[in-house]
Amino acid sequence: GQQLNQSPQSMFIQEGEDVSMNCTSSSIFNTWLWYKQDPGEGPVLLIALYKAGELTSNGRLTAQFGITRKDSFLNISASIPSDVGIYFCAGPRNSGNTPLVFGKGTRLSVIA
Amino acid sequence: DTEVTQTPKHLVMGMTNKKSLKCEQHMGHRAMYWYKQKAKKPPELMFVYSYEKLSINESVPSRFSPECPNSSLLNLHLHALQPEDSALYLCASSQGTVVTGELFFGEGSRLTVL
Repeated sequence: GQQLNQSPQSMFIQEGEDVSMNCTSSSIFNTWLWYKQDPGEGPVLLIALYKAGELTSNGRLTAQFGITRKDSFLNISASIPSDVGIYFCAGPRNSGNTPLVFGKGTRLSVIA
Repeated sequence: DTEVTQTPKHLVMGMTNKKSLKCEQHMGHRAMYWYKQKAKKPPELMFVYSYEKLSINESVPSRFSPECPNSSLLNLHLHALQPEDSALYLCASSQGTVVTGELFFGEGSRLTVL
């Protein structure tokens, strides 16, 4: 099945720094989704991408759908303590259909 | 606030108990999902219901029994579980099963099997 390789696995950054994480696959995805999960909570959708090359922002978050449709990145600018959590990339498991397959996540820690 | 509501938030049960997890959504979504998540791992799909019919069962052991009484409700019945079944159980919904792909998750039910 399709697999998503997410990196880095974890990050420790200072408050105010910018963050970049990415997700790659050997298969083509038609949709890329980025979720954030706080401890003990369910994942919350941050950004959805539907077209190759698409660049979408949500506040301090920016995500891009790679031209090859095999990768995506998520940037967070000027990090704050509440950015702490696990960030998952996800895409439809089969072309055109849910359910989603998830990357292994990037655990972000922000040092005040 | 999430529009997918899961109860209970925490559940502790013995291996011989029978319990149920419940999920409700009022977004008019026609697809609902159960995912299982172990610590420090991504969510793993268990079941998918589409228009109240079971469409995907990811070879889940029969001690987990899903039920979709109507388009807004999804239950997961638990019986004779094992300690390794302890995990966060996430319910999700989507408008349909053809992507847009956006799944909306509940806050999860934290299950501990003793």
